[in-house]
Amino acid sequence: DAKTTQPNSMESNEEEPVHLPCNHSTISGTDYIHWYRQLPSQGPEYVIHGLTSNVNNRMASLAIAEDRKSSTLILHRATLRDAAVYYCILRDGRDDKIIFGKGTRLHILP
Amino acid sequence: ETGVTQSPTHLIKTRGQQVTLRCSSQSGHNTVSWYQQALGQGPQFIFQYYREEENGRGNFPPRFSGLQFPNYSSELNVNALELDDSALYLCASSLGVGVDTEAFFGQGTRLTVV
Repeated sequence: DAKTTQPNSMESNEEEPVHLPCNHSTISGTDYIHWYRQLPSQGPEYVIHGLTSNVNNRMASLAIAEDRKSSTLILHRATLRDAAVYYCILRDGRDDKIIFGKGTRLHILP
Repeated sequence: ETGVTQSPTHLIKTRGQQVTLRCSSQSGHNTVSWYQQALGQGPQFIFQYYREEENGRGNFPPRFSGLQFPNYSSELNVNALELDDSALYLCASSLGVGVDTEAFFGQGTRLTVV
């Protein structure tokens, strides 16, 4: 199975941008990069996904390296509500199940 | 609110008992997946149902079983409960299968086995 590596935790100040990195050096050509987050006491929530090109939506941006071996989730202006565990997930084209790793716990400082 | 509802929200059972957890998918979604999340860990994939058929299973013993009904709601059954089964059980629904789909998660059922 393709794997991802994320820092265990990160801190950021409120109202500043946050860049959450993810390494996936064994990614294959058919793997999609997905991000989910889990706020305290809630189920995971979809954030964004992409294949090769950078992606933007109302929640965040996803920057994918040209060789696709790494990606960065960008929260443009963090709020206290963005404090959560962020999961970077590769979804295999042969087996589409969402397999979670340990994620990055993001702390937002007021 | 994702439109995925799970019941009950909390449950306490005794070791050796059986439990049934329920999930109502978001309207129109024909795929449901179940996850187990122990405290401080990421969710672990249990199994997925697509149009009432099991469509993949994680590394869980046969005492974990499931059903998907014609209206695409789903049940997770766990027999012979063990203390280690204490966890948050999450249900996720999506439209179809495939790597380009988005999954919507419920709030989960917190199961405590004593």
